[in-house]
Amino acid sequence: QKEVEQNSGPLSVPEGAIASLNCTYSDRGSQSFFWYRQYSGKSPELIMFIYSNGDKEDGRFTAQLNKASQYVSLLIRDSQPSDSATYLCAVNRDDKIIFGKGTRLHILP
Amino acid sequence: GAVVSQHPSRVICKSGTSVKIECRSLDFQATTMFWYRQFPKQSLMLMATSNEGSKATYEQGVEKDKFLINHASLTLSTLTVTSAHPEDSSFYICSARGSGGIRSPLHFGNGTRLTVT
Repeated sequence: QKEVEQNSGPLSVPEGAIASLNCTYSDRGSQSFFWYRQYSGKSPELIMFIYSNGDKEDGRFTAQLNKASQYVSLLIRDSQPSDSATYLCAVNRDDKIIFGKGTRLHILP
Repeated sequence: GAVVSQHPSRVICKSGTSVKIECRSLDFQATTMFWYRQFPKQSLMLMATSNEGSKATYEQGVEKDKFLINHASLTLSTLTVTSAHPEDSSFYICSARGSGGIRSPLHFGNGTRLTVT
């Protein structure tokens, strides 16, 4: 089992709708969970991080964490074409951060 | 805050030569930096953890004699790809944690696109 798993997509969402991105992880000891956005040819940029079970909201973004199910998700409300990118889920393993393969999101104008 | 600068952004070199990539933390001190490599349409793969003042810790499968890491100060880590070959062509990205300890997120440099001909 891979440490961090994501559906590679592409996930196509109409502009203005909610995009839902999902991620599962294998290490029950993980304490920190991150979502990064990566545009083609660029390095990742941090979108959100979450440490505790439940929801964390920041503007149009909401991160959700369920440690019992080893599941973390990212919701993007009012999707914009500029949200089209690859979204990387990342989880700590000890002092390191391990990335999933990413989900390609395509917002349809 | 937590700005990481990486240089060069793009480099083309001939097979057999060596290439040095620099990673600097501009507005904070980074005792630990991380080097990742990303092949097209693949995930970021952690290559090594660079520790200031001590030897780097390499991930399984990464040749330490080929990918030399030096972290001589709290703001600078370098990765040297020695005797580069075409299969080393990739996107190399450094990162560092901001303040807040091991739970803090990573902040990335802009990456270096290496092409070995």
